[in-house]
Amino acid sequence: AQSVAQPEDQVNVAEGNPLTVKCTYSVSGNPYLFWYVQYPNRGLQFLLKYITGDNLVKGSYGFEAEFNKSQTSFHLKKPSALVSDSALYFCAVRRHTGFQKLVFGTGTRLLVSP
Amino acid sequence: GAVVSQHPSWVICKSGTSVKIECRSLDFQATTMFWYRQFPKQSLMLMATSNEGSKATYEQGVEKDKFLINHASLTLSTLTVTSAHPEDSSFYICSARDSGLANEKLFFGSGTQLSVL
Repeated sequence: AQSVAQPEDQVNVAEGNPLTVKCTYSVSGNPYLFWYVQYPNRGLQFLLKYITGDNLVKGSYGFEAEFNKSQTSFHLKKPSALVSDSALYFCAVRRHTGFQKLVFGTGTRLLVSP
Repeated sequence: GAVVSQHPSWVICKSGTSVKIECRSLDFQATTMFWYRQFPKQSLMLMATSNEGSKATYEQGVEKDKFLINHASLTLSTLTVTSAHPEDSSFYICSARDSGLANEKLFFGSGTQLSVL
């Protein structure tokens, strides 16, 4: 069965500094990987996905993520954080084939200070 | 971009009553919709997969008689929490996949905060 680990409950970063939100996964076969962001009392918004191809994926709002197969990781990054990036971030994985069930990590709260 | 409308945004109800939550895809058709539940500081948990015109597929541990799902059209799925109890209080989110697209992107509703007194 697939699983996702987000080892950090919270990440604190100063505005203008680079940020990284970590995600590791476990899945049999090739993975589809996703990052979503959730603002308070809101649903999830899609940030980016990795299906195949280039390991560096660029997404919305200047975010990017790098797929590392050997380390089974898909860390979310941004070169320069904004205060408005403060939110809850979820990593998710599903199998490349078969049923479309997504498995989510527990989420990481990103807090960007001015 | 594709929009999923979820209604209501929040609802407070008395214990023992039933609550219906609607999930609509506004500008696309969705043969499959998903219902999730989120507890505070916890991950999203998939409750069930809603398939248009057929019975929903429930995840292990989810009571199908408790959480009734109906997907009567290509743009609407409903989740009814029957005989709600305080332990059903949670944040419920639906998502939908555009049937006309080959990509894997899911579109999420804005969620419904259910509080059962």
